[in-house]
Amino acid sequence: GAGVSQSPRYKVAKRGQDVALRCDPISGHVSLFWYQQALGQGPEFLTYFQNEAQLDKSGLPSDRFFAERPEGSVSTLKIQRTQQEDSAVYLCASSQRQGANTEAFFGQGTRLTVV
Amino acid sequence: GESVGLHLPTLSVQEGDNSIINCAYSNSASDYFIWYKQESGKGPQFIIDIRSNMDKRQGQRVTVLLNKTVKHLSLQIAATQPGDSAVYFCAENWNAGNMLTFGGGTRLMVKP
Repeated sequence: GAGVSQSPRYKVAKRGQDVALRCDPISGHVSLFWYQQALGQGPEFLTYFQNEAQLDKSGLPSDRFFAERPEGSVSTLKIQRTQQEDSAVYLCASSQRQGANTEAFFGQGTRLTVV
Repeated sequence: GESVGLHLPTLSVQEGDNSIINCAYSNSASDYFIWYKQESGKGPQFIIDIRSNMDKRQGQRVTVLLNKTVKHLSLQIAATQPGDSAVYFCAENWNAGNMLTFGGGTRLMVKP
């Protein structure tokens, strides 16, 4: 595709529900990143994949958060037993090269609201 | 669309004027810096980047200045246009690590 695609665009979940957020990166991009953006703040790093390998998950806030990229392309961010503090925009980005010291292209994000 | 930031520092400029957006970064070891533009309801969009071996880099209508002595980064936008209205974030990376660390953002408002 032309850019990074994320779905759904909006998600409302009842507290305690599990959710799955999808990211389709730009074809051929090696690196894939997930960020969380709270209202009025800058994005905060969650996790990083190089191809199918999850090399860094230091930003995941709890063990309720899980991400995968099994074939090195599409990635899914799963949040189990959602809490109100999980409400945020979840952004996915991809880049051609490894690491974060290169131009990364962001998707439009998924806005998660936990009620 | 949703508001990207409700309580961000705001810079208001007249259309056609030059804009300067400032950013203080946190890590003296950072060696890669990037500016992103984020419009309401959209993801961040790359504007320009700079590595620590440079002090200045120019793009189309934009210039980034890096002052490593005081850990300061600035984005200059020439002849600001209404389409430049957005929230601007600086971000830093060190040692080719796996993450960008974003600053808090500045809202730019362009008055016609």
